[in-house]
Amino acid sequence: AQSVTQLGSHVSVSEGALVLLRCNYSSSVPPYLFWYVQYPNQGLQLLLKYTTGATLVKGINGFEAEFKKSETSFHLTKPSAHMSDAAEYFCAVSDRNTDKLIFGTGTRLQVFP
Amino acid sequence: EAQVTQNPRYLITVTGKKLTVTCSQNMNHEYMSWYRQDPGLGLRQIYYSMNVEVTDKGDVPEGYKVSRKEKRNFPLILESPSPNQTSLYFCASSATGALVAQYFGPGTRLLVL
Repeated sequence: AQSVTQLGSHVSVSEGALVLLRCNYSSSVPPYLFWYVQYPNQGLQLLLKYTTGATLVKGINGFEAEFKKSETSFHLTKPSAHMSDAAEYFCAVSDRNTDKLIFGTGTRLQVFP
Repeated sequence: EAQVTQNPRYLITVTGKKLTVTCSQNMNHEYMSWYRQDPGLGLRQIYYSMNVEVTDKGDVPEGYKVSRKEKRNFPLILESPSPNQTSLYFCASSATGALVAQYFGPGTRLLVL
């Protein structure tokens, strides 16, 4: 069965600093991997996803994530944080057979001026 | 504007009083799904529907019912709500399934006393 672990329920960074949100997954088959973002009082929206091909995936708002099979990781990064990046971020994994997503528990990102 | 709408946005009710949360999408999507979000647990899928008249259980279906009589609507029914169903509920839709971008509604915050 697939599962996903997000290390750190809260991450705080200063504006302009590197953002690194960690996600590790377990899957018995090659996974599809996703990052969703939830801004305050809103639903989730897709940031980026990995299916096949290039392991470095670029998403919206300057975010990117790298699929590392050997480390079973899909960490989300952004070189320079902006105040508007403050939100909750969810990593999700699925396999190609079940068409179901398993979400992590989320990481709340705070950005300080 | 492409969107998923949910009503009501906020609801306080008492144990045992039947309620329905409506969900509607205007993108002609085949796939619709209901999730609940609880602190420390992330999002968990309740039910999903691959098409009209086709529904299936997610990971936490107990105490919930759904129906899909029209492509655009996917109501969530709580026949006899209990306090452990106090949660934040999200409806989502996508063109083909959970492995492509899902579009989320704004959420319904439910309190069962």
